[in-house]
Amino acid sequence: AQSVTQLGSHVSVSEGALVLLRCNYSSSVPPYLFWYVQYPNQGLQLLLKYTSAATLVKGINGFEAEFKKSETSFHLTKPSAHMSDAAEYFCAGGGSQGNLIFGKGTKLSVKP
Amino acid sequence: NAGVTQTPKFQVLKTGQSMTLQCAQDMNHEYMSWYRQDPGMGLRLIHYSVGAGITDQGEVPNGYNVSRSTTEDFPLRLLSAAPSQTSVYFCASSSDFYNEQFFGPGTRLTVL
Repeated sequence: AQSVTQLGSHVSVSEGALVLLRCNYSSSVPPYLFWYVQYPNQGLQLLLKYTSAATLVKGINGFEAEFKKSETSFHLTKPSAHMSDAAEYFCAGGGSQGNLIFGKGTKLSVKP
Repeated sequence: NAGVTQTPKFQVLKTGQSMTLQCAQDMNHEYMSWYRQDPGMGLRLIHYSVGAGITDQGEVPNGYNVSRSTTEDFPLRLLSAAPSQTSVYFCASSSDFYNEQFFGPGTRLTVL
């Protein structure tokens, strides 16, 4: 079955610290992977997407993600967290119905 | 260019009532979909459409109907609301099967 798994429903970092949000996908998920961000009471906004052009993908707001086929992972990183990064982050993969299969989300808290 | 719009933003229904959630996009996208978001569950696909006149079921279609008479509009109908349908509903559109999906702002529905 197709699945996308996000490790850790809550992650807390200090301002200025590295952000690492983990995402693993099942090998049956087509290699179209996305990270979305959701701020409170808002819709989802695309952070970045992988479509096989390059394994290291750069997105908005200083985020990037690396596609590792051997590990079936697509972890999201940012070198230095800002208070404004506090939000919920969703990893998603392309499904067989043309939909997106979402992970359950990781809430990022940033401490001053 | 308004993107994806959804109405209403909030709705409270009584069990057994029916209603239609509206979704429209002005990007001439063929692919549209409806998701529901529940805490700790990520987003789950309800129904989707790959073009006017073509719809299909997603992961959680029971209790919902859709139709797609135009490229722009994709309404979601709740036939007889149940408390289990209390959720936040997102409409999304994309230009093709595996491209970025653009999300509307969501409709927060409470069924009493």
